[in-house]
Amino acid sequence: KAGVTQTPRYLIKTRGQQVTLSCSPISGHRSVSWYQQTPGQGLQFLFEYFSETQRNKGNFPGRFSGRQFSNSRSEMNVSTLELGDSALYLCASSLGPGGTDTQYFGPGTRLTVL
Amino acid sequence: QKEVEQNSGPLSVPEGAIASLNCTYSDRVSQSFFWYRQYSGKSPELIMSIYSNGDKEDGRFTAQLNKASQYVSLLIRDSQPSDSATYLCAVNLRGSGNTPLVFGKGTRLSVIA
Repeated sequence: KAGVTQTPRYLIKTRGQQVTLSCSPISGHRSVSWYQQTPGQGLQFLFEYFSETQRNKGNFPGRFSGRQFSNSRSEMNVSTLELGDSALYLCASSLGPGGTDTQYFGPGTRLTVL
Repeated sequence: QKEVEQNSGPLSVPEGAIASLNCTYSDRVSQSFFWYRQYSGKSPELIMSIYSNGDKEDGRFTAQLNKASQYVSLLIRDSQPSDSATYLCAVNLRGSGNTPLVFGKGTRLSVIA
């Protein structure tokens, strides 16, 4: 069974631009969670989608948004990029919602904002 | 108290020794607990999950859960240099499908050959 895939793997943007990241979950998984990882803050939860509905949202500004499609693929968007948005963005998929089921991570998208 | 706490390390152990990694959590109703390993520059990979009090063994890894004391630990027997990584503890704090996993900041393990 194929794992979680994320595209693109690397991205360089400048301040003020916007970016869209994509995540394809493991086949059959309906939940996708997004995380931001930085050296100082560790893994910070962004949001979770299950069956096209946002179930949980972390403490991030409204510039961070996401959506999930009927095939469970998910995208996250960051508008008006800031230098502090430079990070590794990880998505994880699981069978069920919330944190009860095991989450499997994709390889991540490394975003650099200049 | 932080929701999920881990000692940041680095924890240094000699090759062949037992490495002991600890994690404490804040919510008594937590039901699901996970250990992930993350190599530098890579994404986290699942080592094991544990849901019930006691020990769970998988190869060289043993997870130990004590809900009364609100801690979960990971033991790595016969540690190898390839085990050098950051180990993340994750907890479903409210014990329901309506809350996300909360991750600790990780413990960096260094196994010295």
